[in-house]
Amino acid sequence: KAGVTQTPRYLIKTRGQQVTLSCSPISGHRSVSWYQQTPGQGLQFLFEYFSETQRNKGNFPGRFSGRQFSNSRSEMNVSTLELGDSALYLCASMLTGENTEAFFGQGTRLTVV
Amino acid sequence: DQQVKQNSPSLSVQEGRISILNCDYTNSMFDYFLWYKKYPAEGPTFLISISSIKDKNEDGRFTVFLNKSAKHLSLHIVPSQPGDSAVYFCAAKDSNYQLIWGAGTKLIIKP
Repeated sequence: KAGVTQTPRYLIKTRGQQVTLSCSPISGHRSVSWYQQTPGQGLQFLFEYFSETQRNKGNFPGRFSGRQFSNSRSEMNVSTLELGDSALYLCASMLTGENTEAFFGQGTRLTVV
Repeated sequence: DQQVKQNSPSLSVQEGRISILNCDYTNSMFDYFLWYKKYPAEGPTFLISISSIKDKNEDGRFTVFLNKSAKHLSLHIVPSQPGDSAVYFCAAKDSNYQLIWGAGTKLIIKP
């Protein structure tokens, strides 16, 4: 069974631009979460989508947004990019239910110059 | 307010010895805990989990212990191997099914 797929793997953008990252979850998984990891930092939770609705949200500014489609694929958008947005962005998918684990994609490495 | 804490940013262990990674949590409502391993520039991979109704779960070289009264869990790796060198994250699932993550512990296995 295919894992979580994130595209693109690498991206270079200029300050002020916007970017859209994509995540295809494991088939049957309806929950998709997004995380930001910067050097030396842990996993900073951005938001989670479940059945096309944002179910949980972290403490990131409104420049960070997301959506989920009916096939559970999710996109994350960052507008007006700042240098500090350079990070590894990770997507995780999960089955619903209590005792289930999240499966991560390889991540998208975003560099803002 | 960090609900899940990994107080050791790094840990160095001799190959063949036991590695013990620790994690503390503050919310007594957490009822499912997970450990993940992460290599640089890759997504974390799931290692092992434990439900709050248990106090121990074992999978090969990996064992997780849960002490609910102390709100503490630990991951034991025996014997430690060079390929175990990575960052280990502890996570707890809350009532909204959201995973709350610790900051990670970098494990270095010395040959």
